[in-house]
Amino acid sequence: DIVMTQSPDSLAVSLGERATINCKSSQSVLSRSNKKNYLAWYQQKPGQSPKLLIHWASFRESGVPDRFSGSGSGTDFTLTISSLQAEDVAVYYCQQYYATARTFGGGTKVEIK
Amino acid sequence: QVQLAESGGGVVQPGRSLRLSCAASGFTFSTFPIHWFRQSPGKGPEWLAIISYDGTTRYYADSVKDRFTTSRDNSKNTAYLQIDRLRSADTAVYYCARGDPTADDYWGQGTLVTVSS
Repeated sequence: DIVMTQSPDSLAVSLGERATINCKSSQSVLSRSNKKNYLAWYQQKPGQSPKLLIHWASFRESGVPDRFSGSGSGTDFTLTISSLQAEDVAVYYCQQYYATARTFGGGTKVEIK
Repeated sequence: QVQLAESGGGVVQPGRSLRLSCAASGFTFSTFPIHWFRQSPGKGPEWLAIISYDGTTRYYADSVKDRFTTSRDNSKNTAYLQIDRLRSADTAVYYCARGDPTADDYWGQGTLVTVSS
């Protein structure tokens, strides 16, 4: 299975400041055929199911605020929240869907400092 | 709007079986594969299985392939996950998700399975 490693485990950021979460895969999730990175970012709030924020590593889902952005390619990826809002407090997971057997990073808990 | 709703969870004794359902609405169910995930308390999601749009192809995580079976009834817009020989380690919230080509884009709210004597 492809192993996904996220860092940091937790992050405390002041309101309005930037939050950056890193994700590394044990093998490339970049498809040679279509040049797409099969990497997604999910947000999960307490008591809720994961919500897809970003797919193809950098494409925001409809309705997701533009303060959320994804970048990276191959094996190294980043989720950035450019200006943290109170409603962004959650756990964030990266997920690879390059392989049928999806795998997730360990999660990053984002809190307000 | 796209909706998925899991049901069938509850408190079950070790060794018993359980069948979870995933009822879909708001999209053409018969054209999408369905994934199953679970999430144990305080842990990240774990992928369990996928069933193709027509039910002819299924893949399972190695950790569950001997005890879990997924199926679907496209006439009822419903997918199922049968779990046999339940263990305490199976205690988790179980989710189904739509397998769109771009990502696993919609998840249900989950159903809690607690394995306890």
